[in-house]
Amino acid sequence: DAGVIQSPRHEVTEMGQEVTLRCKPISGHDYLFWYRQTMMRGLELLIYFNNNVPIDDSGMPEDRFSAKMPNASFSTLKIQPSEPRDSAVYFCASSARAGGSYEQYFGPGTRLTVT
Amino acid sequence: GEDVEQSLFLSVREGDSSVINCTYTDSSSTYLYWYKQEPGAGLQLLTYIFSNMDMKQDQRLTVLLNKKDKHLSLRIADTQTGDSAIYFCAEKEAGGYQKVTFGTGTKLQVIP
Repeated sequence: DAGVIQSPRHEVTEMGQEVTLRCKPISGHDYLFWYRQTMMRGLELLIYFNNNVPIDDSGMPEDRFSAKMPNASFSTLKIQPSEPRDSAVYFCASSARAGGSYEQYFGPGTRLTVT
Repeated sequence: GEDVEQSLFLSVREGDSSVINCTYTDSSSTYLYWYKQEPGAGLQLLTYIFSNMDMKQDQRLTVLLNKKDKHLSLRIADTQTGDSAIYFCAEKEAGGYQKVTFGTGTKLQVIP
């Protein structure tokens, strides 16, 4: 398996622009997670899905952030409008309930810079 | 809510053993994990331990769990320069949800 795939790997945009981050989970995994990592706040869980349904979005910072999972192999995280404080590395991770150990597999991340 | 704490930094000499410590607050934790993050990369699962175990060994890695004190440690034997990275401790609470709480990460610097 190719692992969790994220695109783009780097994104530079201007304040006020819309940003869309993409994720393809590992085939067969039924959970998908979006995280944000910054030096100041560490690794934060933004939202996670089970079988394409959002389960917990309490970590989404504000209404400017939205996430969708239209099918089992694709998810997006959208920021509209973007602000400089959104600059961070955004990770997608997936896991499978089957097997029991629940470990999460992370993608390489998208480094977002908002100027 | 759950809380997972780690020291921020550890420096060791190549060939020595490294011990990275972690404390957590959720007594219902079922699985505890150690992840490694190299620069510019995502987190990579190193190993995990089920809460009814007190030790797990995997090649150079030894995980010790003290459930009474809610203390987890990762020992890396014969530390190499390639072990330089940030190490995250994480715990999964009991129940059907998959949410995992991560610690702040410990940056391990290996001095040649």
